[in-house]
Amino acid sequence: EPEVTQTPSHQVTQMGQEVILRCVPISNHLYFYWYRQILGQKVEFLVSFYNNEISEKSEIFDDQFSVERPDGSNFTLKIRSTKLEDSAMYFCASSPSGGITEAFFGQGTRLTVV
Amino acid sequence: DQQVKQNSPSLSVQEGRISILNCDYTNSMFDYFLWYKKYPAEGPTFLISISSIKDKNEDGRFTVFLNKSAKHLSLHIVPSQPGDSAVYFCAASGGSTLGRLYFGRGTQLTVWP
Repeated sequence: EPEVTQTPSHQVTQMGQEVILRCVPISNHLYFYWYRQILGQKVEFLVSFYNNEISEKSEIFDDQFSVERPDGSNFTLKIRSTKLEDSAMYFCASSPSGGITEAFFGQGTRLTVV
Repeated sequence: DQQVKQNSPSLSVQEGRISILNCDYTNSMFDYFLWYKKYPAEGPTFLISISSIKDKNEDGRFTVFLNKSAKHLSLHIVPSQPGDSAVYFCAASGGSTLGRLYFGRGTQLTVWP
C-alpha cells in the first residue's frame, strides 16, 4: 500500500541552527501538507502546497519556515533558525485532491531543539 | 483556537462492548469530518469520514454520526477490540480552507480484555 515517508525519524539540533525535514508523498497525490504536534497538544496545520506553491499557511508558519518541492518526489520543510519552542513532532501529509478527501500522513519526524 | 473539541481525554471500554467517542465543533463552515487513529510513534491513520450532507456513515465496525444542528459528531466502534486501543482524533475541514484540517486534542481509547 502506498505510504508517505518521512526522514529522519528523529532530529536533534541546537537552537539557532537550520533544519530540513524531508518527506516523500504518495506518488499520484497533488496536495501536500505539513502539520506539527507539540507534546501534549493537538495536531496543528502549518502549510498546504499545490502546483508548486503555497496554497494556505497558518499563523504558525512565519518567515522562519519555508517549503519546497525540489524534484518530482520530495517535499521539504525548512526551519531557518530553530527555537526551543519548535520542538515537536512534524507530520507530512498528502492527498489526491484538496477538497473532500482524506489526507494520508507520514510517521512523523520528532524535532528536538536544545 | 478551539474550533474542534474532544472533551474526553480518555475512554476505557471492555472488549466486545461499544466505544463511543465524541467531538464538537464551532465553525458552521465545516462540511467534512474525519476520524483518525494514532498509535505511538506513528502518524495519524485515516479511519472514517462523513460529509455534512449525511448524518451517518458506516464502515464495518466503525460508524460516524453527525448532528449538524448540535455541531456534534461521534464515532461508534462495535464491538471494541484490544487492537483498537489508540488515540482517536476528530478533524474537520471546509469553507475556504481547501484541504486544511482542524484537529481536536484526541481521546485515548483503551480496550481491555
